[in-house]
Amino acid sequence: DAKTTQPPSMDCAEGRAANLPCNHSTISGNEYVYWYRQIHSQGPQYIIHGLKNNETNEMASLIITEDRKSSTLILPHATLRDTAVYYCIVYMIKAAGNKLTFGGGTRVLVKP
Amino acid sequence: GAGVSQSPRYKVAKRGQDVALRCDPISGHVSLFWYQQALGQGPEFLTYFQNEAQLDKSGLPSDRFFAERPEGSVSTLKIQRTQQEDSAVYLCASSLVQGSTNSALHFGNGTRLTVT
Repeated sequence: DAKTTQPPSMDCAEGRAANLPCNHSTISGNEYVYWYRQIHSQGPQYIIHGLKNNETNEMASLIITEDRKSSTLILPHATLRDTAVYYCIVYMIKAAGNKLTFGGGTRVLVKP
Repeated sequence: GAGVSQSPRYKVAKRGQDVALRCDPISGHVSLFWYQQALGQGPEFLTYFQNEAQLDKSGLPSDRFFAERPEGSVSTLKIQRTQQEDSAVYLCASSLVQGSTNSALHFGNGTRLTVT
């Protein structure tokens, strides 16, 4: 599965949009981009995923560049409860064994 | 609740003791994964089940680690003769199906194991 690169940390102001970048320059054509987050003392939580089109759900938006070498997770109106480690993961969906490979993630601190 | 449930939430073991960690996946979920998360690190894959079959155990760090899912539902991760380096949070995750985009993993809140 393709490797991803994320900034180790970033701060965001409460109520503002948080834009979390992820580089995945070695992504192949059939690999998806998934985002999870992990709030302190909890297990990782699925946020969103996409292949090449931009995606939006109730939690966030995912913008994938046309060449698919990078993506941005957007939290439109960050709240204090969005403070967490955010993981960008790229992998190929297979018939079995879709194991996620987590990197270091981005530690996001939402400040009042 | 409908989420993945893990027990115990915390476990303290003396070095050399055996421990058993339990995972109750979401009902009907076919796939089950175990991960190990050291302090300040991302989770690392240990093993994977599809129903009762253990299809991948490449991440188990040693033969002291053993996982089972005998009836394709509840799973147990057993660690024999615990060592201090086993101290970590052990996370369980399940997913409904594999081979489709509807295969997002649902994680429990983990068991924090401390070996003294």
